[in-house]
Amino acid sequence: QSALTQPASVSGSPGQSITISCTGTSSDVGGYNYVSWYQQHPGKAPKLIIYDVGNRPSGVSNRFSGSKSGNTASLTISGLQAEDEADYYCSSYTSSSTYVFGTGTKVTVL
Amino acid sequence: QMQLVQSGPEVKKPGTSVKVSCKASGFTFTSSAMQWVRQARGQRLEWIGWIVVGSGNTNYAQKFQERVTITRDMSTSTAHMELSSLRSEDTAVYYCAAVVPAAIGGVFDPWGQGTLVTVSS
Repeated sequence: QSALTQPASVSGSPGQSITISCTGTSSDVGGYNYVSWYQQHPGKAPKLIIYDVGNRPSGVSNRFSGSKSGNTASLTISGLQAEDEADYYCSSYTSSSTYVFGTGTKVTVL
Repeated sequence: QMQLVQSGPEVKKPGTSVKVSCKASGFTFTSSAMQWVRQARGQRLEWIGWIVVGSGNTNYAQKFQERVTITRDMSTSTAHMELSSLRSEDTAVYYCAAVVPAAIGGVFDPWGQGTLVTVSS
């Protein structure tokens, strides 16, 4: 199972919006609405921020939103803040009853 | 609150095995599925496999199929991940994560704090 494809890095100024893409295949992202996004700060465990394509867990800022079109899912962070600087990973359930993560995206707040 | 606490760091020699533990609290362990994920330094997250706690059914990523065994002990609410035939490339932080309740496509939340496994001669 190949990793889902994400841009290596995305940057933006405080207050701006950025979007991170996550491209897979019809056997994972395109085949199920089981795409999740995780935020990971250096030296910390990942934290769930979006599940089932576009749902936010309780306590996660509404500045984070998710969507999907075909084999590509997207995470949008609006009103970018310094604390959003972190690595972001998408994940999808697959047709093999396994999971696959994305290649990861480093978000830099300029 | 839901919490996963993992065992401490390990240093192993190539060719040996390591067993990492993950103790759950704050949720019904028997209704969950436990995932294992690893991350080499500076690298991406990599899914290893999972166990549905109630049934004991497991599924592993093809890459680890021959070398990994995930088990659970319901009496202590603990999941274990054993990786054999270790090589230097297995040096990584290993995380457990819970899917509560166990469900197809379920999300990984919460996560353990991570266990550093170092493979070195």
